Amino acid sequence: GESVGLHLPTLSVQEGDNSIINCAYSNSASDYFIWYKQESGKGPQFIIDIRSNMDKRQGQRVTVLLNKTVKHLSLQIAATQPGDSAVYFCADLSYGQNFVFGPGTRLSVLP
Amino acid sequence: GAGVSQSPSNKVTEKGKDVELRCDPISGHTALYWYRQSLGQGLEFLIYFQGNSAPDKSGLPSDRFSAERTGGSVSTLTIQRTQQEDSAVYLCASSQAVLALRAQYFGPGTRLTVL
Repeated sequence: GESVGLHLPTLSVQEGDNSIINCAYSNSASDYFIWYKQESGKGPQFIIDIRSNMDKRQGQRVTVLLNKTVKHLSLQIAATQPGDSAVYFCADLSYGQNFVFGPGTRLSVLP
Repeated sequence: GAGVSQSPSNKVTEKGKDVELRCDPISGHTALYWYRQSLGQGLEFLIYFQGNSAPDKSGLPSDRFSAERTGGSVSTLTIQRTQQEDSAVYLCASSQAVLALRAQYFGPGTRLTVL
Protein backbone atom coordinates (compact mmCIF):
# COMPACT_ATOMS: atom_id res chain seq x y z
CA GLY A 1 0.00 0.00 0.00
CA GLU A 2 0.94 3.62 -0.25
CA SER A 3 0.59 6.34 2.30
CA VAL A 4 -1.48 9.32 1.28
CA GLY A 5 -1.20 11.32 4.47
CA LEU A 6 -3.68 12.09 7.18
CA HIS A 7 -6.79 12.58 5.07
CA LEU A 8 -8.42 9.55 3.53
CA PRO A 9 -9.50 9.81 -0.09
CA THR A 10 -13.27 9.85 -0.23
CA LEU A 11 -15.53 8.41 -2.87
CA SER A 12 -19.16 9.50 -2.92
CA VAL A 13 -21.63 7.52 -4.98
CA GLN A 14 -25.37 7.52 -5.42
CA GLU A 15 -27.25 4.57 -4.01
CA GLY A 16 -27.68 2.01 -6.74
CA ASP A 17 -24.65 3.11 -8.74
CA ASN A 18 -21.49 1.06 -9.06
CA SER A 19 -18.42 1.97 -7.01
CA ILE A 20 -14.80 1.53 -8.00
CA ILE A 21 -12.14 1.81 -5.33
CA ASN A 22 -8.50 1.75 -6.34
CA CYS A 23 -5.33 0.71 -4.64
CA ALA A 24 -1.69 0.81 -5.69
CA TYR A 25 0.92 -1.49 -4.23
CA SER A 26 4.65 -1.21 -4.42
CA ASN A 27 6.04 -4.72 -4.00
CA SER A 28 6.31 -6.49 -7.33
CA ALA A 29 6.83 -9.77 -5.43
CA SER A 30 3.42 -9.58 -3.78
CA ASP A 31 1.43 -12.66 -4.63
CA TYR A 32 -1.69 -12.34 -2.53
CA PHE A 33 -4.11 -9.45 -2.12
CA ILE A 34 -7.09 -8.81 0.12
CA TRP A 35 -9.74 -6.13 0.30
CA TYR A 36 -11.10 -5.23 3.71
CA LYS A 37 -14.11 -3.18 4.78
CA GLN A 38 -13.95 -1.27 8.04
CA GLU A 39 -17.02 0.33 9.50
CA SER A 40 -16.76 3.00 12.14
CA GLY A 41 -15.72 1.61 15.51
CA LYS A 42 -15.19 -1.91 14.18
CA GLY A 43 -12.26 -3.99 13.08
CA PRO A 44 -11.59 -4.70 9.41
CA GLN A 45 -13.75 -7.32 7.76
CA PHE A 46 -12.57 -9.53 4.90
CA ILE A 47 -14.38 -8.88 1.62
CA ILE A 48 -12.53 -10.69 -1.15
CA ASP A 49 -9.07 -11.90 -2.03
CA ILE A 50 -7.13 -12.65 -5.17
CA ARG A 51 -3.87 -14.40 -5.94
CA SER A 52 -1.30 -13.09 -8.37
CA ASN A 53 -2.00 -15.83 -10.90
CA MET A 54 -5.42 -14.31 -11.49
CA ASP A 55 -6.49 -10.95 -12.85
CA LYS A 56 -10.13 -11.00 -11.84
CA ARG A 57 -12.25 -12.57 -9.16
CA GLN A 58 -15.93 -12.10 -8.46
CA GLY A 59 -17.89 -12.37 -5.27
CA GLN A 60 -21.37 -11.37 -4.30
CA ARG A 61 -21.77 -7.83 -5.70
CA VAL A 62 -18.00 -7.34 -5.57
CA THR A 63 -15.29 -7.85 -8.14
CA VAL A 64 -11.56 -7.46 -7.65
CA LEU A 65 -9.30 -6.69 -10.59
CA LEU A 66 -5.56 -7.08 -10.47
CA ASN A 67 -3.16 -5.45 -12.91
CA LYS A 68 0.31 -6.69 -12.06
CA THR A 69 1.93 -4.71 -14.83
CA VAL A 70 1.15 -1.42 -13.14
CA LYS A 71 0.77 -2.87 -9.62
CA HIS A 72 -2.81 -1.79 -9.31
CA LEU A 73 -5.76 -3.37 -7.59
CA SER A 74 -9.38 -2.30 -7.75
CA LEU A 75 -12.57 -3.22 -5.96
CA GLN A 76 -15.84 -2.85 -7.79
CA ILE A 77 -19.08 -2.84 -5.85
CA ALA A 78 -22.24 -3.28 -7.88
CA ALA A 79 -25.48 -1.51 -6.98
CA THR A 80 -23.96 0.27 -3.99
CA GLN A 81 -26.14 0.29 -0.90
CA PRO A 82 -26.13 2.50 2.22
CA GLY A 83 -24.67 -0.41 4.20
CA ASP A 84 -21.61 -0.28 1.96
CA SER A 85 -20.55 3.02 3.51
CA ALA A 86 -17.23 2.34 5.20
CA VAL A 87 -13.49 2.63 4.75
CA TYR A 88 -12.10 0.13 2.27
CA PHE A 89 -8.46 -0.78 2.13
CA CYS A 90 -6.30 -3.27 0.38
CA ALA A 91 -3.51 -5.42 1.72
CA ASP A 92 -0.79 -7.22 -0.17
CA LEU A 93 1.47 -10.02 0.90
CA SER A 94 4.54 -11.64 -0.49
CA TYR A 95 5.92 -14.96 0.64
CA GLY A 96 7.91 -14.67 3.84
CA GLN A 97 6.88 -11.07 4.40
CA ASN A 98 4.12 -9.42 6.37
CA PHE A 99 0.99 -7.82 5.12
CA VAL A 100 1.26 -4.26 3.85
CA PHE A 101 -1.97 -2.35 4.19
CA GLY A 102 -3.01 0.68 2.20
CA PRO A 103 -4.39 3.73 4.02
CA GLY A 104 -7.90 3.20 2.75
CA THR A 105 -10.64 4.99 0.88
CA ARG A 106 -13.80 6.22 2.54
CA LEU A 107 -16.91 5.28 0.59
CA SER A 108 -19.98 7.44 1.19
CA VAL A 109 -23.26 6.31 -0.29
CA LEU A 110 -25.65 9.15 -1.03
CA PRO A 111 -29.41 8.53 -0.82
CA GLY B 1 -17.22 -15.55 22.51
CA ALA B 2 -17.71 -15.96 18.82
CA GLY B 3 -15.18 -13.37 17.73
CA VAL B 4 -11.93 -11.72 18.69
CA SER B 5 -12.34 -9.52 21.72
CA GLN B 6 -10.11 -6.76 22.96
CA SER B 7 -9.98 -4.79 26.16
CA PRO B 8 -10.18 -2.06 27.10
CA SER B 9 -12.10 -0.53 24.22
CA ASN B 10 -10.71 2.89 25.13
CA LYS B 11 -7.69 3.85 27.17
CA VAL B 12 -6.58 7.33 28.07
CA THR B 13 -3.22 7.64 29.75
CA GLU B 14 -0.64 10.22 30.59
CA LYS B 15 2.66 10.48 28.80
CA GLY B 16 5.26 8.30 30.45
CA LYS B 17 2.86 5.75 31.91
CA ASP B 18 2.79 2.09 30.91
CA VAL B 19 -0.28 0.49 29.35
CA GLU B 20 -1.39 -3.07 28.71
CA LEU B 21 -3.79 -4.01 25.97
CA ARG B 22 -5.44 -7.40 25.90
CA CYS B 23 -6.57 -9.62 23.05
CA ASP B 24 -8.67 -12.77 23.30
CA PRO B 25 -8.47 -14.59 19.97
CA ILE B 26 -11.02 -16.97 18.59
CA SER B 27 -10.72 -20.31 20.29
CA GLY B 28 -8.54 -22.68 18.32
CA HIS B 29 -6.84 -20.01 16.26
CA THR B 30 -3.11 -20.57 16.36
CA ALA B 31 -2.01 -17.32 14.73
CA LEU B 32 -2.44 -13.96 16.42
CA TYR B 33 -1.51 -10.56 15.02
CA TRP B 34 -1.23 -7.07 16.46
CA TYR B 35 -1.63 -4.00 14.26
CA ARG B 36 -1.68 -0.29 14.88
CA GLN B 37 -3.96 2.08 13.01
CA SER B 38 -3.24 5.77 13.28
CA LEU B 39 -5.77 8.39 12.21
CA GLY B 40 -6.14 8.34 8.46
CA GLN B 41 -3.49 5.67 8.02
CA GLY B 42 -3.52 2.05 7.01
CA LEU B 43 -2.80 -0.81 9.32
CA GLU B 44 0.76 -1.03 10.57
CA PHE B 45 1.91 -4.54 11.40
CA LEU B 46 3.44 -4.86 14.86
CA ILE B 47 3.90 -8.51 15.79
CA TYR B 48 2.50 -11.96 15.17
CA PHE B 49 2.48 -15.21 17.07
CA GLN B 50 2.15 -18.62 15.46
CA GLY B 51 1.64 -21.53 17.82
CA ASN B 52 4.67 -22.08 20.02
CA SER B 53 7.11 -20.54 17.57
CA ALA B 54 9.11 -17.45 18.46
CA PRO B 55 7.05 -14.39 17.55
CA ASP B 56 7.87 -12.18 14.62
CA LYS B 57 8.62 -8.86 16.30
CA SER B 58 9.87 -7.13 13.20
CA GLY B 59 7.09 -4.55 13.19
CA LEU B 60 7.49 -3.27 16.73
CA PRO B 61 8.39 0.42 16.43
CA SER B 62 10.64 0.60 19.47
CA ASP B 63 11.85 -1.35 22.48
CA ARG B 64 9.08 0.29 24.51
CA PHE B 65 6.68 -2.13 22.80
CA SER B 66 6.46 -5.77 23.78
CA ALA B 67 3.89 -8.52 23.54
CA GLU B 68 3.37 -11.93 24.94
CA ARG B 69 0.96 -14.72 24.36
CA THR B 70 0.24 -17.00 27.26
CA GLY B 71 -0.71 -20.61 26.69
CA GLY B 72 -1.12 -20.01 23.00
CA SER B 73 -4.29 -18.03 23.58
CA VAL B 74 -4.63 -14.61 25.22
CA SER B 75 -2.13 -11.97 24.21
CA THR B 76 -1.06 -8.77 25.93
CA LEU B 77 0.57 -5.85 24.17
CA THR B 78 2.52 -3.65 26.56
CA ILE B 79 3.68 -0.15 25.81
CA GLN B 80 6.12 1.29 28.31
CA ARG B 81 6.70 4.99 28.91
CA THR B 82 3.97 5.95 26.48
CA GLN B 83 4.48 8.87 24.13
CA GLN B 84 1.89 11.00 22.37
CA GLU B 85 2.78 9.43 19.04
CA ASP B 86 1.64 6.09 20.44
CA SER B 87 -1.95 7.33 20.26
CA ALA B 88 -3.77 5.09 17.81
CA VAL B 89 -6.21 2.23 17.56
CA TYR B 90 -4.53 -1.06 18.31
CA LEU B 91 -6.12 -3.98 16.49
CA CYS B 92 -5.72 -7.65 17.14
CA ALA B 93 -6.54 -10.39 14.65
CA SER B 94 -6.41 -14.16 14.74
CA SER B 95 -6.52 -16.92 12.18
CA GLN B 96 -6.38 -20.68 12.14
CA ALA B 97 -2.95 -20.63 10.55
CA VAL B 98 -0.61 -17.97 9.24
CA LEU B 99 -1.32 -18.94 5.66
CA ALA B 100 -5.11 -19.05 6.21
CA LEU B 101 -5.14 -15.45 5.13
CA ARG B 102 -8.78 -15.35 4.24
CA ALA B 103 -9.72 -16.26 7.80
CA GLN B 104 -7.95 -13.41 9.58
CA TYR B 105 -10.60 -12.14 12.00
CA PHE B 106 -10.15 -8.74 13.58
CA GLY B 107 -11.22 -7.52 16.98
CA PRO B 108 -12.88 -4.12 17.47
CA GLY B 109 -9.64 -2.53 18.61
CA THR B 110 -8.46 -0.52 21.59
CA ARG B 111 -8.32 3.21 21.11
CA LEU B 112 -5.29 4.53 23.00
CA THR B 113 -4.97 8.22 23.72
CA VAL B 114 -1.78 9.50 25.29
CA LEU B 115 -2.13 12.97 26.78
